[in-house]
Amino acid sequence: KQEVTQIPAALSVPEGENLVLNCSFTDSAIYNLQWFRQDPGKGLTSLLLIQSSQREQTSGRLNASLDKSSGRSTLYIAASQPGDSATYLCAVLRGSGGGADGLTFGKGTHLIIQP
Amino acid sequence: ETGVTQSPTHLIKTRGQQVTLRCSSQSGHNTVSWYQQALGQGPQFIFQYYREEENGRGNFPPRFSGLQFPNYSSELNVNALELDDSALYLCASSLGGGTRDTQYFGPGTRLTVL
Repeated sequence: KQEVTQIPAALSVPEGENLVLNCSFTDSAIYNLQWFRQDPGKGLTSLLLIQSSQREQTSGRLNASLDKSSGRSTLYIAASQPGDSATYLCAVLRGSGGGADGLTFGKGTHLIIQP
Repeated sequence: ETGVTQSPTHLIKTRGQQVTLRCSSQSGHNTVSWYQQALGQGPQFIFQYYREEENGRGNFPPRFSGLQFPNYSSELNVNALELDDSALYLCASSLGGGTRDTQYFGPGTRLTVL
């Protein structure tokens, strides 16, 4: 059974700092990995999707890396801003990418950027 | 282009009752997935519908059922509600069967079971 762990569970940093969020998964046979952002009481916003054959993806100040063999991914946020405050969720899709499994999520990292 | 919408926003039910939640997928998307997110937890996959057929199911009992309509909107039905069913219910739409592509999530329906 696939399990996804995110460390740290919570993080509070001053504005302007660069930071790294970590995600690990137990079964390396994944099809892709996605990072999402969730604001309090709201739905999820997709940030980055990395296919299993890729090593990283970048969007603006965000960079996500994937090391499938070791079961790890990191989300790097450059020059953090108060508007980045949210819960960040990592999710993996196992195997062939078919509908049978859906995404397996971690519990998230709750990020607070202090002005 | 409209995004994924869900209704209602909030719902309060009592134990044993039945509930129906609704989701309209993003324009052009033919696949809808449903997830349950308990407080402080990550979302858990309930099931997925592709072209009106159930395409996959997570570890949820049969009292969780669904439908997808010809316009690709979807319903999640939960019978015999239990206190542990209290959660945020999220639907996500994508193009093409399966979960290969980016999932676009709706704002969710907050269900409280008393």
